[in-house]
Amino acid sequence: EVQLLESGGNLVQPGGSLTLSCAASGFTFKDYAMNWVRQAPGQGLEWVSIIFSDGLRTHYSPSVKGRFTISRDTSKNTLFLHMSSLRTDDSAVYYCAKVVSAATIALESWGQGTLVTVSS
Amino acid sequence: DIQLTQSPSTLSASVGDRVTITCRASQSVSTWLAWYQQKPGKAPKFLIYKTSTLETGVPSRFSGSGSGTEFTLTINSLQPDDFATYYCQQYNSYPLTFGGGTKVEI
Repeated sequence: EVQLLESGGNLVQPGGSLTLSCAASGFTFKDYAMNWVRQAPGQGLEWVSIIFSDGLRTHYSPSVKGRFTISRDTSKNTLFLHMSSLRTDDSAVYYCAKVVSAATIALESWGQGTLVTVSS
Repeated sequence: DIQLTQSPSTLSASVGDRVTITCRASQSVSTWLAWYQQKPGKAPKFLIYKTSTLETGVPSRFSGSGSGTEFTLTINSLQPDDFATYYCQQYNSYPLTFGGGTKVEI
């Protein structure tokens, strides 16, 4: 059974930094692209970033490009999101999500989310 | 960026009803469209990919159709467990984008 467990969410001041982690199990982590998706309180889903299985190819939403960095540690089956220059509108529940396959990057499995609050 | 517009934003229905949700894309996404269900306080649940392929374990009362810029999610014979918010998502091009959601309520 696929399991994704996010951690690292916290209260942080505007302009600050934070790193989220997502521990993966139940599948061969190194073979799948992984994503971060966020949801602000009471709002819809917003895709944030993807990293492919090679760990090199990445894409970002324009709203976070240049401020957030996605990475993965295959030896630890862990996905990361390093967030810097945080703004109040980055406040959200952040989910990590696994794709269906290399050919289909729809989001098949999701973690339970971790809450990031950006506030002074 | 490809914008996805869902309609309606809220839908009132009863158990047993047939429900249809529409997702319109600002440009063609071919058939690279997925649907998700989300209940309050929970992570989204994956329902459908490539427009019409049901994820394993998803009840057959759910179906998807469309191509290009217009897509539909249909729920036949709505069940109590189906009251939730539904999102479409395109994965044809970056940035990946979601529709604004459709809340199906009693």
